[in-house]
Amino acid sequence: NAGVMQNPRHLVRRRGQEARLRCSPMKGHSHVYWYRQLPEEGLKFMVYLQKENIIDESGMPKERFSAEFPKEGPSILRIQQVVRGDSAAYFCASSPDRVAEAFFGQGTRLTVV
Amino acid sequence: KNQVEQSPQSLIILEGKNCTLQCNYTVSPFSNLRWYKQDTGRGPVSLTIMTFSENTKSNGRYTATLDADTKQSSLHITASQLSDSASYICVVSANGNTPLVFGKGTRLSVIA
Repeated sequence: NAGVMQNPRHLVRRRGQEARLRCSPMKGHSHVYWYRQLPEEGLKFMVYLQKENIIDESGMPKERFSAEFPKEGPSILRIQQVVRGDSAAYFCASSPDRVAEAFFGQGTRLTVV
Repeated sequence: KNQVEQSPQSLIILEGKNCTLQCNYTVSPFSNLRWYKQDTGRGPVSLTIMTFSENTKSNGRYTATLDADTKQSSLHITASQLSDSASYICVVSANGNTPLVFGKGTRLSVIA
């Protein structure tokens, strides 16, 4: 059973471009969380999804950011018109239900130049 | 407001020594508390998970304690090794739809 897979591991985008970050949860996990981590800082919650539904997006900026977790395929975190301040590590975690242990992927490091 | 506070922010210890990291939380209603280890540039890896009724849980040289009355937890590392150098993150889960609440972590450096 492979762990949580995130790709790409590293992503470089120019200001104004779009960034798409993918997260494939562990097999059997229908709950996905996205977190952002700035250098030298802790993990900040962005959005919590459960197959096709957004349960909590209170940590996600209202503009330019969106997330989805379709019935088939990975969860996608999409950042439109990226700015330098979007540069960070984005981590995805999955769990089989809301209270069970969450397993993290290795993250995608986004650099906006 | 649901919050998790960790102390110290950073810690340097000699290889072979023990150390204890602290976590205080105000998350309610409480479901469980988890400690994660995050190596630089990697994703967090779970060390322990404790529910309301559990006071202590061990994972090798790591022992976590939980006092649900005072809303405090600690992570004790015994006979530290250089590979223990990492950030240790306390995470509390609440019942309902509230997401996991993360502390900012304690950055531990073990030196020879």
